[in-house]
Amino acid sequence: GAVVSQHPSRVICKSGTSVKIECRSLDFQATTMFWYRQFPKKSLMLMATSNEGSKATYEQGVEKDKFLINHASLTLSTLTVTSAHPEDSSFYICSASSGTDQPQHFGDGTRLSIL
Amino acid sequence: EDQVTQSPEALRLQEGESSSLNCSYTVSGLRGLFWYRQDPGKGPEFLFTLYSAGEEKEKERLKATLTKKESFLHITAPKPEDSATYLCAVQAILKTSGTYKYIFGTGTRLKVLA
Repeated sequence: GAVVSQHPSRVICKSGTSVKIECRSLDFQATTMFWYRQFPKKSLMLMATSNEGSKATYEQGVEKDKFLINHASLTLSTLTVTSAHPEDSSFYICSASSGTDQPQHFGDGTRLSIL
Repeated sequence: EDQVTQSPEALRLQEGESSSLNCSYTVSGLRGLFWYRQDPGKGPEFLFTLYSAGEEKEKERLKATLTKKESFLHITAPKPEDSATYLCAVQAILKTSGTYKYIFGTGTRLKVLA
């Protein structure tokens, strides 16, 4: 149980392109979803937290207009990287939780490469 | 300041050589402590949740314990397939807002040699 599916697993695109990443909880309702960025051999860096039907809460230093997050249902959240540039290249991971005191369950990540 | 520290940063073990990973935390309003395993190029895989001091959880060769200041992940007779990065995370309540946040440690990279 507690499966989170993240797509696509890898994206390679040109600078200036917008990229959408989907995160779905397959067998539970996710009241809260999280988006992380991870650099090589580093821990997870929280970008934003989103609750279903509400605006996402962004961490300090994360550009809201650059990283658009939508949490339209209890099973789906999307992250759109708008007008991506090479410095946005990274490993992006989503997670979902069914409530307070519950663990986060993670997707398998998206490797984004901007040329 | 709320903080989670994992040690050691990296650990090399021979197959069958038992050891422990440490996760120390200083947070107010602890709601839970979580252990994860992360393989290269993958998202973290949930292992255990611990909610109160004295609690223990076991799964195969792994056993997690919790005190008021730290948690240990004990690995008994590890195998090469146990090689991964092990992350701990703490869920704490923010006094100022009453909302909760997760704080992740930087992980322990475990390599088990055959």
